[in-house]
Amino acid sequence: GQSLEQPSEVTAVEGAIVQINCTYQTSGFYGLSWYQQHDGGAPTFLSYNALDGLEETGRFSSFLSRSDSYGYLLLQELQMKDSASYFCAVGVLTGRRALTFGSGTRLQVQP
Amino acid sequence: EAGVVQSPRYKIIEKKQPVAFWCNPISGHNTLYWYRQNLGQGPELLIRYENEEAVDDSQLPKDRFSAERLKGVDSTLKIQPAELGDSAVYLCASSFRGKDRNTIYFGEGSWLTVV
Repeated sequence: GQSLEQPSEVTAVEGAIVQINCTYQTSGFYGLSWYQQHDGGAPTFLSYNALDGLEETGRFSSFLSRSDSYGYLLLQELQMKDSASYFCAVGVLTGRRALTFGSGTRLQVQP
Repeated sequence: EAGVVQSPRYKIIEKKQPVAFWCNPISGHNTLYWYRQNLGQGPELLIRYENEEAVDDSQLPKDRFSAERLKGVDSTLKIQPAELGDSAVYLCASSFRGKDRNTIYFGEGSWLTVV
């Protein structure tokens, strides 16, 4: 099976930078995804890493190290609207070919 | 383009009663998922369809849960009878087996409360 670990809560102030880490254990790993979910809303796709390195999309960046089974989501220039839960999710090549999600990190952005 | 549509949005039922959730995926998406999300947790896969075929239902509690995807488009998830522990958000999602295959698009979910 797969397992993922990420911090349960993170607090930061507007304009700051925050990093949300994710470590995973799985076989047949092919990629790490990040999703954002506001309270009462649908999870929405943020980014995907299949190869080692950094992927940048606007204020959000995601990093993957396959050798360390580790990734992170970096949020820059934090805004109040970034307050949400953030989930990392792994995809595998064998067996269950659907994303397995972590328990999520609740980000609270303060003024 | 319309996103993944689910109904009902909210449902409150008494335990032992049946309930059904409906999902219309994004047009052209051949892969459909049902996930369950408990409060404060990440989504957990219940079943995945490729077109009309259920290719992964290993986590579906088959004694009380059933699902179908007729004609490879809309899908229905049923619980009968419901138990208190089934209270959760049931998320339907879809994806396309093409260039964008690593992106799953979720609906807003059906919130179930069993009392």
